[in-house]
Amino acid sequence: DTGVSQDPRHKITKRGQNVTFRCDPISEHNRLYWYRQTLGQGPEFLTYFQNEAQLEKSRLLSDRFSAERPKGSFSTLEIQRTEQGDSAMYLCASSPFTLAGGHTDTQYFGPGTRLTVL
Amino acid sequence: AQSVTQLGSHVSVSEGALVLLRCNYSSSVPPYLFWYVQYPNQGLQLLLKYTSAATLVKGINGFEAEFKKSETSFHLTKPSAHMSDAAEYFCAVSDRVSQGNLIFGKGTKLSVKP
Repeated sequence: DTGVSQDPRHKITKRGQNVTFRCDPISEHNRLYWYRQTLGQGPEFLTYFQNEAQLEKSRLLSDRFSAERPKGSFSTLEIQRTEQGDSAMYLCASSPFTLAGGHTDTQYFGPGTRLTVL
Repeated sequence: AQSVTQLGSHVSVSEGALVLLRCNYSSSVPPYLFWYVQYPNQGLQLLLKYTSAATLVKGINGFEAEFKKSETSFHLTKPSAHMSDAAEYFCAVSDRVSQGNLIFGKGTKLSVKP
Protein backbone atom coordinates (compact mmCIF):
# COMPACT_ATOMS: atom_id res chain seq x y z
CA ASP A 1 0.00 0.00 0.00
CA THR A 2 1.80 3.08 -1.27
CA GLY A 3 -0.87 5.62 -0.44
CA VAL A 4 -2.58 8.11 -2.69
CA SER A 5 -0.30 9.66 -5.30
CA GLN A 6 -0.81 12.76 -7.42
CA ASP A 7 0.98 14.01 -10.47
CA PRO A 8 2.35 16.55 -11.06
CA ARG A 9 3.16 18.01 -7.66
CA HIS A 10 3.49 21.49 -9.09
CA LYS A 11 2.14 23.08 -12.25
CA ILE A 12 2.70 26.60 -13.50
CA THR A 13 0.66 27.67 -16.48
CA LYS A 14 -0.41 30.78 -18.29
CA ARG A 15 -3.95 32.05 -18.16
CA GLY A 16 -6.09 30.47 -20.84
CA GLN A 17 -4.14 27.22 -21.04
CA ASN A 18 -5.59 23.81 -20.22
CA VAL A 19 -4.14 21.65 -17.48
CA THR A 20 -4.72 18.07 -16.39
CA PHE A 21 -3.93 16.46 -13.06
CA ARG A 22 -3.81 12.78 -12.22
CA CYS A 23 -4.65 10.96 -9.01
CA ASP A 24 -3.89 7.33 -8.24
CA PRO A 25 -5.90 6.16 -5.24
CA ILE A 26 -5.09 3.39 -2.83
CA SER A 27 -5.82 0.20 -4.68
CA GLU A 28 -9.29 -1.24 -4.14
CA HIS A 29 -10.64 2.00 -2.70
CA ASN A 30 -13.96 2.50 -4.43
CA ARG A 31 -14.42 6.16 -3.56
CA LEU A 32 -12.30 8.97 -4.91
CA TYR A 33 -12.73 12.63 -3.97
CA TRP A 34 -11.31 15.87 -5.35
CA TYR A 35 -10.90 18.93 -3.14
CA ARG A 36 -9.46 22.38 -3.72
CA GLN A 37 -7.53 24.29 -1.06
CA THR A 38 -6.67 27.97 -1.35
CA LEU A 39 -4.24 29.82 0.87
CA GLY A 40 -5.49 30.17 4.43
CA GLN A 41 -8.54 28.01 3.87
CA GLY A 42 -9.54 24.45 4.50
CA PRO A 43 -10.07 22.07 1.59
CA GLU A 44 -13.36 22.50 -0.28
CA PHE A 45 -15.14 19.60 -1.92
CA LEU A 46 -15.26 19.56 -5.72
CA THR A 47 -16.51 16.15 -6.82
CA TYR A 48 -16.40 12.46 -6.05
CA PHE A 49 -16.60 9.08 -7.74
CA GLN A 50 -17.98 5.78 -6.63
CA ASN A 51 -15.97 3.38 -8.77
CA GLU A 52 -16.20 4.90 -12.28
CA ALA A 53 -19.42 6.83 -11.68
CA GLN A 54 -19.22 10.53 -10.88
CA LEU A 55 -22.01 10.89 -8.34
CA GLU A 56 -21.81 14.47 -7.15
CA LYS A 57 -20.32 17.78 -8.22
CA SER A 58 -20.02 20.89 -6.09
CA ARG A 59 -21.26 24.22 -7.38
CA LEU A 60 -17.57 25.21 -7.18
CA LEU A 61 -16.96 22.97 -10.17
CA SER A 62 -17.65 25.26 -13.10
CA ASP A 63 -18.13 23.93 -16.62
CA ARG A 64 -14.42 24.57 -17.26
CA PHE A 65 -13.66 21.69 -14.91
CA SER A 66 -14.10 18.06 -15.85
CA ALA A 67 -13.15 14.93 -13.99
CA GLU A 68 -13.03 11.32 -15.05
CA ARG A 69 -12.29 7.99 -13.48
CA PRO A 70 -12.20 5.43 -16.27
CA LYS A 71 -12.35 1.83 -15.12
CA GLY A 72 -12.71 2.97 -11.52
CA SER A 73 -8.99 3.24 -10.92
CA PHE A 74 -7.00 6.47 -11.42
CA SER A 75 -8.77 9.79 -11.93
CA THR A 76 -7.99 12.92 -13.91
CA LEU A 77 -9.10 16.48 -13.28
CA GLU A 78 -8.91 18.84 -16.24
CA ILE A 79 -9.26 22.59 -16.11
CA GLN A 80 -9.87 24.32 -19.42
CA ARG A 81 -9.07 27.98 -20.12
CA THR A 82 -7.42 28.46 -16.75
CA GLU A 83 -7.97 31.67 -14.82
CA GLN A 84 -5.86 33.22 -12.08
CA GLY A 85 -8.59 32.35 -9.60
CA ASP A 86 -7.92 28.68 -10.30
CA SER A 87 -4.57 28.95 -8.52
CA ALA A 88 -4.81 26.57 -5.59
CA MET A 89 -3.75 23.20 -4.21
CA TYR A 90 -5.81 20.39 -5.70
CA LEU A 91 -6.13 17.45 -3.34
CA CYS A 92 -7.27 13.94 -4.09
CA ALA A 93 -8.48 11.50 -1.46
CA SER A 94 -9.65 7.92 -1.58
CA SER A 95 -11.78 5.87 0.76
CA PRO A 96 -12.96 2.28 0.94
CA PHE A 97 -16.52 3.46 1.75
CA THR A 98 -17.71 0.15 3.09
CA LEU A 99 -21.36 -0.60 3.78
CA ALA A 100 -20.46 -0.97 7.43
CA GLY A 101 -18.41 2.19 7.72
CA GLY A 102 -20.15 4.47 5.27
CA HIS A 103 -19.61 8.11 6.14
CA THR A 104 -17.18 7.18 8.90
CA ASP A 105 -14.66 5.55 6.58
CA THR A 106 -11.39 7.45 6.60
CA GLN A 107 -10.44 9.48 3.56
CA TYR A 108 -6.75 9.16 2.72
CA PHE A 109 -5.26 12.21 1.05
CA GLY A 110 -2.54 12.54 -1.52
CA PRO A 111 0.18 15.21 -1.38
CA GLY A 112 -1.72 17.50 -3.73
CA THR A 113 -0.97 19.34 -6.97
CA ARG A 114 -0.18 23.01 -6.55
CA LEU A 115 -1.42 25.01 -9.54
CA THR A 116 -0.17 28.52 -10.26
CA VAL A 117 -1.85 30.43 -13.06
CA LEU A 118 0.13 33.42 -14.29
CA ALA B 1 -26.39 22.67 6.50
CA GLN B 2 -23.43 21.17 8.28
CA SER B 3 -20.39 23.26 9.12
CA VAL B 4 -17.42 23.51 11.45
CA THR B 5 -15.84 26.57 13.01
CA GLN B 6 -12.28 26.60 14.25
CA LEU B 7 -11.58 29.34 16.77
CA GLY B 8 -8.15 30.86 16.34
CA SER B 9 -6.35 30.75 13.02
CA HIS B 10 -3.01 30.66 14.84
CA VAL B 11 -2.09 29.13 18.20
CA SER B 12 1.38 29.33 19.72
CA VAL B 13 2.54 27.20 22.65
CA SER B 14 5.84 26.42 24.31
CA GLU B 15 7.37 22.98 24.01
CA GLY B 16 5.95 20.81 26.79
CA ALA B 17 2.84 22.93 27.25
CA LEU B 18 -0.75 21.84 26.74
CA VAL B 19 -2.11 22.05 23.21
CA LEU B 20 -5.79 23.00 22.84
CA LEU B 21 -7.28 23.55 19.39
CA ARG B 22 -10.95 24.44 19.30
CA CYS B 23 -13.62 23.15 16.94
CA ASN B 24 -17.37 23.72 17.07
CA TYR B 25 -19.78 22.08 14.68
CA SER B 26 -23.24 22.68 13.37
CA SER B 27 -25.25 19.71 12.20
CA SER B 28 -28.91 18.76 11.90
CA VAL B 29 -28.02 15.07 12.23
CA PRO B 30 -25.63 13.30 14.60
CA PRO B 31 -22.24 14.29 13.24
CA TYR B 32 -19.20 12.29 12.32
CA LEU B 33 -16.19 14.45 13.13
CA PHE B 34 -12.55 14.29 12.11
CA TRP B 35 -9.27 16.02 12.89
CA TYR B 36 -6.58 16.11 10.20
CA VAL B 37 -3.04 17.49 10.32
CA GLN B 38 -1.22 19.04 7.36
CA TYR B 39 2.53 19.56 7.28
CA PRO B 40 3.95 22.10 4.81
CA ASN B 41 3.58 21.06 1.17
CA GLN B 42 1.98 17.77 2.13
CA GLY B 43 -1.49 16.28 2.06
CA LEU B 44 -3.70 15.76 5.07
CA GLN B 45 -3.19 12.97 7.58
CA LEU B 46 -5.95 11.71 9.84
CA LEU B 47 -5.31 12.25 13.55
CA LEU B 48 -8.58 10.86 14.90
CA LYS B 49 -12.30 10.58 14.24
CA TYR B 50 -15.53 10.46 16.20
CA THR B 51 -18.14 8.02 14.91
CA SER B 52 -20.73 8.04 17.72
CA ALA B 53 -19.02 5.42 19.85
CA ALA B 54 -16.87 6.66 22.75
CA THR B 55 -17.04 10.42 23.26
CA LEU B 56 -13.34 10.61 24.17
CA VAL B 57 -11.35 9.67 21.11
CA LYS B 58 -7.65 8.93 21.15
CA GLY B 59 -5.59 9.46 18.05
CA ILE B 60 -2.05 9.28 16.80
CA ASN B 61 0.93 11.22 18.17
CA GLY B 62 -0.64 11.59 21.61
CA PHE B 63 -3.62 13.67 20.49
CA GLU B 64 -7.16 13.18 21.73
CA ALA B 65 -10.50 14.91 21.33
CA GLU B 66 -13.73 14.90 23.28
CA PHE B 67 -17.14 15.07 21.65
CA LYS B 68 -19.49 17.27 23.70
CA LYS B 69 -22.97 17.36 22.28
CA SER B 70 -24.22 19.97 24.76
CA GLU B 71 -21.49 22.35 23.63
CA THR B 72 -21.44 21.21 19.98
CA SER B 73 -17.68 20.96 20.33
CA PHE B 74 -14.90 18.58 19.37
CA HIS B 75 -11.74 20.22 20.71
CA LEU B 76 -8.33 18.66 20.09
CA THR B 77 -5.84 18.38 22.94
CA LYS B 78 -2.36 17.08 23.65
CA PRO B 79 -0.89 17.23 27.15
CA SER B 80 2.64 18.14 26.12
CA ALA B 81 3.58 19.84 22.86
CA HIS B 82 6.57 18.70 20.85
CA MET B 83 8.41 20.70 18.23
CA SER B 84 7.30 18.18 15.61
CA ASP B 85 3.64 19.08 16.30
CA ALA B 86 4.07 22.39 14.47
CA ALA B 87 1.65 22.12 11.54
CA GLU B 88 -1.82 23.14 10.43
CA TYR B 89 -4.77 21.33 11.92
CA PHE B 90 -8.18 20.96 10.33
CA CYS B 91 -11.45 19.92 11.90
CA ALA B 92 -13.99 18.39 9.54
CA VAL B 93 -17.50 16.97 9.57
CA SER B 94 -18.71 14.26 7.24
CA ASP B 95 -21.56 15.52 5.09
CA ARG B 96 -24.17 12.90 5.92
CA VAL B 97 -26.85 14.97 4.22
CA SER B 98 -24.91 14.52 1.02
CA GLN B 99 -22.70 11.59 0.19
CA GLY B 100 -19.91 11.65 2.71
CA ASN B 101 -17.58 14.32 1.47
CA LEU B 102 -15.82 16.21 4.24
CA ILE B 103 -16.65 19.79 5.19
CA PHE B 104 -13.55 21.43 6.65
CA GLY B 105 -12.95 24.34 8.95
CA LYS B 106 -10.47 27.03 7.96
CA GLY B 107 -7.69 25.46 9.96
CA THR B 108 -5.52 26.41 12.92
CA LYS B 109 -1.79 26.81 12.50
CA LEU B 110 0.08 25.53 15.54
CA SER B 111 3.50 26.97 16.36
CA VAL B 112 5.68 25.39 19.05
CA LYS B 113 8.34 27.53 20.70
CA PRO B 114 11.47 25.91 22.16
